[in-house]
Amino acid sequence: QKEVEQDPGPLSVPEGAIVSLNCTYSNSAFQYFMWYRQYSRKGPELLMYTYSSGNKEDGRFTAQVDKSSKYISLFIRDSQPSDSATYLCAMSHGLSGAGSYQLTFGKGTKLSVIP
Amino acid sequence: DAGVTQSPTHLIKTRGQQVTLRCSPKSGHDTVSWYQQALGQGPQFIFQYYEEEERQRGNFPDRFSGHQFPNYSSELNVNALLLGDSALYLCASSLDSRGAYEQYFGPGTRLTVT
Repeated sequence: QKEVEQDPGPLSVPEGAIVSLNCTYSNSAFQYFMWYRQYSRKGPELLMYTYSSGNKEDGRFTAQVDKSSKYISLFIRDSQPSDSATYLCAMSHGLSGAGSYQLTFGKGTKLSVIP
Repeated sequence: DAGVTQSPTHLIKTRGQQVTLRCSPKSGHDTVSWYQQALGQGPQFIFQYYEEEERQRGNFPDRFSGHQFPNYSSELNVNALLLGDSALYLCASSLDSRGAYEQYFGPGTRLTVT
C-alpha cells in the first residue's frame, strides 16, 4: 500500500462547477498537508497548507483535513478554465528536531475545466 | 524577487553517462531538496541539503549525489545513467524553520536518457 493515494482522474467539469479533489494516507505520523497545482511542463506551485485537522480557506479554495479518517480534500468553488492543471497532495511529518521535512506526494489528479 | 531557478531546462544523455543539474534557491532560503518526477507520477524525494550537508535521503541509489554551496545553491549529480532515470528533476527551496509546509519548486530539468 502506498503511503499516499490519489485518484489520477482525469476529472472534467464545466466552468463554474464546484470541484472536489481527495487523497487518503496510511501514515498517522503526517502532520502537515499541502496542495500543489502543476501546469503542464512546469514545476508544482504551492496553493495552501494545513496543520493537523480542520479547514482552511483561501479565496475560491478550501482545504479540509480529517486525521481520524486519514483523508484530505481540496474544494475549488466557481471553477475557471485557468484552474485546468494537475493537483498534487503532499504531506510531511514535520518532526521537531529531525530538521528535515521530506514531502510525500500523491500521483496527482488531472483536472480540466470546460468553458 | 526571483523564485527558484534551475538549469538546464532540458537535457539528453546516453546510458552510462553522467549528468549535473543545478538549482538556485529563492532569495533568503537556506534549504534545498531534490525530487524526481516520472511521467504521470507525483514527485519522489531524493535528498535534502542544509548547511552544505545532506541531512536526509530518500530511497535512491548512491549513483545520485549532490552538493550545496555556501550561497545555498545546489547541484544534483547522477552517475551511470539508466533509461529509468528519464524524468523531470525538481528542486525545492525552503527556510529551514518552515520546510515542513512551505517548499517552493523550480520549473525543473527534463532529463531524457537514450
